[in-house]
Amino acid sequence: DTEVTQTPKHLVMGMTNKKSLKCEQHMGHRAMYWYKQKAKKPPELMFVYSYEKLSINESVPSRFSPECPNSSLLNLHLHALQPEDSALYLCASSQALGRPNTEAFFGQGTRLTVV
Amino acid sequence: AQTVTQSQPEMSVQEAETVTLSCTYDTSESDYYLFWYKQPPSRQMILVIRQEAYKQQNATENRFSVNFQKAAKSFSLKISDSQLGDAAMYFCAYPRGSARQLTFGSGTQLTVLP
Repeated sequence: DTEVTQTPKHLVMGMTNKKSLKCEQHMGHRAMYWYKQKAKKPPELMFVYSYEKLSINESVPSRFSPECPNSSLLNLHLHALQPEDSALYLCASSQALGRPNTEAFFGQGTRLTVV
Repeated sequence: AQTVTQSQPEMSVQEAETVTLSCTYDTSESDYYLFWYKQPPSRQMILVIRQEAYKQQNATENRFSVNFQKAAKSFSLKISDSQLGDAAMYFCAYPRGSARQLTFGSGTQLTVLP
């Protein structure tokens, strides 16, 4: 199984809503990532988890709250988002941090629209 | 600074022809990897090919090959016998920092013409 599964695939939410994005992998990977991607732009790193601990937060606003309940799951909790937060949110995983040859496996993303 | 530059926002190629996508990067490291990822309309980023910096031999994966010029910090992707399914956004990527998180170039949108 070389899949990273993200749910939901599409999400429309109001600015006062609270929602969560979910990501799951069963490859035994110990590093997991959230990226944000705007249309026709490259992905931008948001968070990195290593062994279920937050390793990197790229100065992301607090209305985005990541959580890694176990080694297979990664969540992104959303609250009080702005329309400019509308984007494709990609989850990725890799075997471990620190190895230069580490391939990242990506999910299909959640297309988020904030209205 | 560790940056990745793709200077071709869009490219097109005739089916069965060959196309080369360009990428340059900047790093102070001597041993590193470089990657090309493909993102089709399905949105999933898929690894196409990887190159290890201290290997002089250019990487090849079926119809995909790279031209790696370490001194020039150039890492281009050649797609031979282009197929309609190759149409996608292609990103050059460099794993940087302590977490080896990927730094992507701006991408090249490849269109394959029938």
